[in-house]
Amino acid sequence: KNQVEQSPQSLIILEGKNCTLQCNYTVSPFSNLRWYKQDTGRGPVSLTIMTFSENTKSNGRYTATLDADTKQSSLHITASQLSDSASYICVVSLISNTGKLIFGQGTTLQVKP
Amino acid sequence: DAEITQSPRHKITETGRQVTLACHQTWNHNNMFWYRQDLGHGLRLIHYSYGVQDTNKGEVSDGYSVSRSNTEDLPLTLESAASSQTSVYFCASSWARDGPYEQYFGPGTRLTVT
Repeated sequence: KNQVEQSPQSLIILEGKNCTLQCNYTVSPFSNLRWYKQDTGRGPVSLTIMTFSENTKSNGRYTATLDADTKQSSLHITASQLSDSASYICVVSLISNTGKLIFGQGTTLQVKP
Repeated sequence: DAEITQSPRHKITETGRQVTLACHQTWNHNNMFWYRQDLGHGLRLIHYSYGVQDTNKGEVSDGYSVSRSNTEDLPLTLESAASSQTSVYFCASSWARDGPYEQYFGPGTRLTVT
């Protein structure tokens, strides 16, 4: 069964600290992996998209890594800000020509001053 | 700027009523999707469309329908609203079906069925 699992479920950190969110997937055939940020009351917004051949991609203070062999990804947030408080969703796309995405349940991050 | 909008943003309705949620995108994308988001679940696909007059069922399509009469709009209809359909609904669109292409999401509609 195609699944995406994220950990931790929730996380609280102090402003200025770094954190790493984890994603494990059992999706085949794999096409690409995305990380989305979802602010409360808003739709998800893409942070990074990585294909099979990419093992790291950055977007400002956000750096995603991908290990396609172990089927693991991580999202590292550097020097966290209050505006980073959000849900972070790991999403995997299949090679299927359908556009269908498989979503993790998300990690809720709270950054405290 | 191109965008994707949803309306209404909030809706309260009674069990048994028909409800239609609107989704409009200005990217001229052929591919459009409807999802629902509930606590304890990732976003789940309800229906999707690859172009005008094309509609397909997703993993949780029971009780929902869509129609695609033009490229810009994909309205989602709840035929007879049930309390189990209380959820946040997101519409999305994308240029391509496969590959590392963005799927853009709307702001969501929070639906409460009483």
